[in-house]
Amino acid sequence: KQEVTQIPAALSVPEGENLVLNCSFTDSAIYNLQWFRQDPGKGLTSLLLIQSSQREQTSGRLNASLDKSSGRSTLYIAASQPGDSATYLCAVWNYGQNFVFGPGTRLSVLP
Amino acid sequence: DGGITQSPKYLFRKEGQNVTLSCEQNLNHDAMYWYRQDPGQGLRLIYYSQIVNDFQKGDIAEGYSVSREKKESFPLTVTSAQKNPTAFYLCASSFGTEANEQYFGPGTRLTVT
Repeated sequence: KQEVTQIPAALSVPEGENLVLNCSFTDSAIYNLQWFRQDPGKGLTSLLLIQSSQREQTSGRLNASLDKSSGRSTLYIAASQPGDSATYLCAVWNYGQNFVFGPGTRLSVLP
Repeated sequence: DGGITQSPKYLFRKEGQNVTLSCEQNLNHDAMYWYRQDPGQGLRLIYYSQIVNDFQKGDIAEGYSVSREKKESFPLTVTSAQKNPTAFYLCASSFGTEANEQYFGPGTRLTVT
């Protein structure tokens, strides 16, 4: 059964830093991987969706990469801002299953 | 404005009572999902539906029930059989279940005392 982990569980950085969030999954036969942002007490906002045939996706200051063979994805945030403070979750979809979510990384960007 | 609505935002119930959480979408999505989120844990799938009048159990369906009478609506009932119902409940939808991008509602926080 697919398992998804995210390291670190929490991260605190000063404003302006570039940072990387990690997502690992045990079953590499995924169909796609989706990164989400969740603000406290709110629903999830989709950030990026990477299909299994893709290596990366970009949206503004965000860049997500996917390495299926190693079971890893990274979310790169450039020039971080206090407004980026949130919990970031990744989820993977395997053939014959549904999305499996990681526990998230709680990001704090300090002014 | 297209999107997913969940109501109410906060819900309080006494132990032993059934409670129904509402989820409506106007995105014309075929698939809808219910997840449960507990502090420090990832989302866990309760039920999902690929088409009207059909739904499947997810990983933690015990103590919950759903219906899908309309494409736009997928209500979740938390029954008195659910041993630990206090949680944050999230509804989502997608065009299909074959790994399409999921869109989420704002969530309902249920507290049972």
